[in-house]
Formats: sequence, C-alpha cells, structure tokens
Amino acid sequence: DAGVIQSPRHEVTEMGQEVTLRCKPISGHNSLFWYRQTMMRGLELLIYFNNNVPIDDSGMPEDRFSAKMPNASFSTLKIQPSEPRDSAVYFCASSFSWGLNYEQYFGPGTRLTVT
Amino acid sequence: GQQLNQSPQSMFIQEGEDVSMNCTSSSIFNTWLWYKQDPGEGPVLLIALYKAGELTSNGRLTAQFGITRKDSFLNISASIPSDVGIYFCAGHDSGGGADGLTFGKGTHLIIQP
Repeated sequence: DAGVIQSPRHEVTEMGQEVTLRCKPISGHNSLFWYRQTMMRGLELLIYFNNNVPIDDSGMPEDRFSAKMPNASFSTLKIQPSEPRDSAVYFCASSFSWGLNYEQYFGPGTRLTVT
Repeated sequence: GQQLNQSPQSMFIQEGEDVSMNCTSSSIFNTWLWYKQDPGEGPVLLIALYKAGELTSNGRLTAQFGITRKDSFLNISASIPSDVGIYFCAGHDSGGGADGLTFGKGTHLIIQP
C-alpha cells in the first residue's frame, strides 16, 4: 500500500514568493496533520484536519500560513509570502482516528529553503 | 501546554551494545508512541503503547508505558549499524480533546565502528 505522499520533496524559493506544499494521505485515513521540523524547535504540529474539517490550527505561526483539505485524499499547506525563517522540513501525517488510536504515519517531508 | 522531556539527547555506542532511552511528561498521557527517523526521511512508527505498565516488543526493540502514565522507555538490544538515526517519543495527553501528538526532541543514536 502507498504511504503518505508529499510533493515536492525539495523547494527552494525567494523571500516573498508563494509556496504550496501538497499531501496525499493514506487511503481510508480520516485525520491529516501538518508538522514543521527544525533543529531548534523539533517537530511542531501546525494544523490538523478530521474528516476534511480543520480541528486545531493553533500551531499555525501566523496569517501567512494557510491549509486546506478539499477532499479526503488531498491537502495543501500554503505560505504567502514566504520568509527565510520559514525554512524547515514540513511533514504531512495521516491516521485513522477512532477511540484511543493516535498512531500517525508520516510522509517523506518537503524540505523548504527560502533565500 | 504539556512538555515532553526525552533523554539522552545523543548516544555514542559500539555495535552490539544495548541502548536505553526515555521520555517523561509533565502530564498524564493515555498513549505513547516511539518513532525512528532516518536522514532525509519522515519518522517511522516503531511501537505504540496504550496501557499503563504495558510492555511491547518489535524485534530487538522493547518499549514500556510507565506505570505513572507520565513516562515511557525504549530499549534496543544488540545494536546494529542500521539502528543509527533519531528516535522520537510522542504522546497524547489524556486531558486533551484534540488528536495532536506532543513529540520529544529526539535521541540521536550513533554507532561507532
């Protein structure tokens, strides 16, 4: 079975440009999570969706960040305008949320560099 | 919010040695998960724990859900070169209604030849 798919794997852009990261969760999973990983702060949860509805976006750093999940098989994380401090690895993860099951499965990540 | 302390930050060991790492939280967790991350890849789930006192094995890996529900341990026996990587603990706060996990900062495992 295919795991979580993310694209692109690497993105290099200039400050001020719009960046869109894409994620396809594991088929059948009903929750999707966006994380950011940096050396300084480790893994941080940005936002998560349950049944395509945003549940908790308290981790989104500021209004420059937005995320959508138009259907069960696709989500985007957009940064507009991008800044050098946004450089990080962005992970998408999905899970089948039921009862006390919190097992999340991660994609390979998108390494974003903003110059 | 809850804090998760993972230790040690890094470990330098010889091939064949056993490894132990742990995580402690400031609040009670109802789930503990252990992940491994290789360079350039996403974290991969190794073991999931759901009950206080639970001891679960996955090959040479063994993890335990602490009886206080505020800690968890991961042991690796007879380490081999492919065990190199970053190991993360993650937990779900039993007082939280959301599904998000809190992650530790990771333990870097380095195996010296």
